[in-house]
Amino acid sequence: NAGVTQTPKFQVLKTGQSMTLQCAQDMNHNSMYWYRQDPGMGLRLIYYSASEGTTDKGEVPNGYNVSRLNKREFSLRLESAAPSQTSVYFCASSRRVGGQWEGASYEQYFGPGTRLTVT
Amino acid sequence: KQEVTQIPAALSVPEGENLVLNCSFTDSAIYNLQWFRQDPGKGLTSLLLIQSSQREQTSGRLNASLDKSSGRSTLYIAASQPGDSATYLCAVGDYQLIWGAGTKLIIKP
Repeated sequence: NAGVTQTPKFQVLKTGQSMTLQCAQDMNHNSMYWYRQDPGMGLRLIYYSASEGTTDKGEVPNGYNVSRLNKREFSLRLESAAPSQTSVYFCASSRRVGGQWEGASYEQYFGPGTRLTVT
Repeated sequence: KQEVTQIPAALSVPEGENLVLNCSFTDSAIYNLQWFRQDPGKGLTSLLLIQSSQREQTSGRLNASLDKSSGRSTLYIAASQPGDSATYLCAVGDYQLIWGAGTKLIIKP
């Protein structure tokens, strides 16, 4: 059982280059997320997808775009990379434990992360 | 705006000790609180999820408590082992989580 997979594991970009981070989950979860983690800070939500065909902005969406390709796959694109986007990026999916959408409990499962450096 | 704080940022204790990690949040109207573990260079693993109507959850040597009125949660680790060394993060929310920066725990053999 692979869980949540991410590619690539490492990437170095020059300022202005573009790239897409890939994420896939095999747990049949409806919801998927993209986070970034910077030293000394908690994770910050970039975008999330509540279900196939929907995406919404999180706390730090500027400079990123996402595509929910199907139920399994959720990609993150950097159109013109900047040094401020140097970070570790995590993809996650979640299953609802109980309750309705707002106020429900969602247990999140994470991929291994992509370490991105922009020079 | 909800803010989540974890103090201390790092903690080192001898093997075998019982220890408590702290998490505080500013808005007591939370839905749920989760504790995660992160090993170096790896993703996060969910440890415990406390729903807003619950006061604690237990899994093996781990016990997490939630006191919404005081804006606090604690993660209790009994009989610590070197394998418990990791960064522990707490997060509050429902489908959108607000995260603390984590406590890096080192268990010395």
